[in-house]
Amino acid sequence: SQKIEQNSEALNIQEGKTATLTCNYTNYSPAYLQWYRQDPGRGPVFLLLIRENEKEKRKERLKVTFDTTLKQSLFHITASQPADSATYLCALGTDSWGKLQFGAGTQVVVTP
Amino acid sequence: DAGVTQSPTHLIKTRGQQVTLRCSPKSGHDTVSWYQQALGQGPQFIFQYYEEEERQRGNFPDRFSGHQFPNYSSELNVNALLLGDSALYLCASSLGGSLSYNEQFFGPGTRLTVL
Repeated sequence: SQKIEQNSEALNIQEGKTATLTCNYTNYSPAYLQWYRQDPGRGPVFLLLIRENEKEKRKERLKVTFDTTLKQSLFHITASQPADSATYLCALGTDSWGKLQFGAGTQVVVTP
Repeated sequence: DAGVTQSPTHLIKTRGQQVTLRCSPKSGHDTVSWYQQALGQGPQFIFQYYEEEERQRGNFPDRFSGHQFPNYSSELNVNALLLGDSALYLCASSLGGSLSYNEQFFGPGTRLTVL
């Protein structure tokens, strides 16, 4: 069966450290992968997109890697801040029309 | 520039009733997707509308239907509500056409509670 797995346990991290989140998938052949941030009671907010032929993407303090052989994406938040506390969702795009398959998300808590 | 708007914010219905949720996409966007997000889960794709047609559909029963209007706004209708339909319903807009890898802009959602 198709699965998208993200760490279900919350990631507690100290301010200034790097947070690393994983997204593993099975029985999917994604053309691209996106990461979103979601705050309680709000809709997801787009952060980064990486295509199947790309290994790494960066945006400010964010970095995402995509390994189609391992069927895994890693999402890094460097120099984390309390304002980075939120749930982070990975989403796979398997066609060209924009339909997304989401993981359940990982909650990140950054403490001062 | 207004982002994606959804109405109502919250809704309480009883089993068997019908509900209509509304979405206005971000200015310039022509594609609207609807997602259902249960508590503690990621959003699940319901369907997508482009050029007033349902272009794709997820694994949801026919009780879930929708519509897109010429101004690109959209409605989600759910008939014969079940307790399990209680969730946050999210609308996302994007630019359509092929190779639509574009980011999706999500609205704040409508919290539906079925009693």
